[in-house]
Amino acid sequence: AQKVTQAQTEISVVEKEDVTLDCVYETRDTTYYLFWYKQPPSGELVFLIRRNSFDEQNEISGRYSWNFQKSTSSFNFTITASQVVDSAVYFCALSGGTDSWGKLQFGAGTQVVVTP
Amino acid sequence: DSGVTQTPKHLITATGQRVTLRCSPRSGDLSVYWYQQSLDQGLQFLIQYYNGEERAKGNILERFSAQQFPDLHSELNLSSLELGDSALYFCASSPGTSDGTDTQYFGPGTRLTVL
Repeated sequence: AQKVTQAQTEISVVEKEDVTLDCVYETRDTTYYLFWYKQPPSGELVFLIRRNSFDEQNEISGRYSWNFQKSTSSFNFTITASQVVDSAVYFCALSGGTDSWGKLQFGAGTQVVVTP
Repeated sequence: DSGVTQTPKHLITATGQRVTLRCSPRSGDLSVYWYQQSLDQGLQFLIQYYNGEERAKGNILERFSAQQFPDLHSELNLSSLELGDSALYFCASSPGTSDGTDTQYFGPGTRLTVL
């Protein structure tokens, strides 16, 4: 069975501080995909990034960066120089494999609170 | 705006009633997914349709059913509602790939409150 663990329930930072969100996953599949989604206070789920299990190259996109390490089954996400608009719940998710075709397995989410 | 639309935005009903949630996928997307978000269960996959056919099923209750129509919109029917069915119901869509791992884009959700 697949599992995604986001151990951090809530992280509070002051604006301009960096925030790193941890995500650890479990799967028996050799091919799988990892995702990060953001859920702002308005409630919608916004797609941020998708990574496949064969691509361990880390990525930076503006103030966001991702660190995928297959050896430790982790897919961490960092917000650099946080802003108040970054306040949201961030979800890590996993999909792939014959048992989970089309299904996204979400972690419990991490609430990020950025104060001015 | 993801391009996925859901109606209604809010729904308040009583226990024992039946409701229908509607979803229109992004233009060109063939797959539609339904998820339930509740405080105690988190985000849970319910069911997926691909081009009108059921493709994958999660922990969907027997009181719940869904379908995807020829125009690719989908409806989620919830019957014999219980207090515990109160949740945010999301629809997502994706182009639809052979391995089922393409990116899912989510609609704004329908907030269901059962009184």
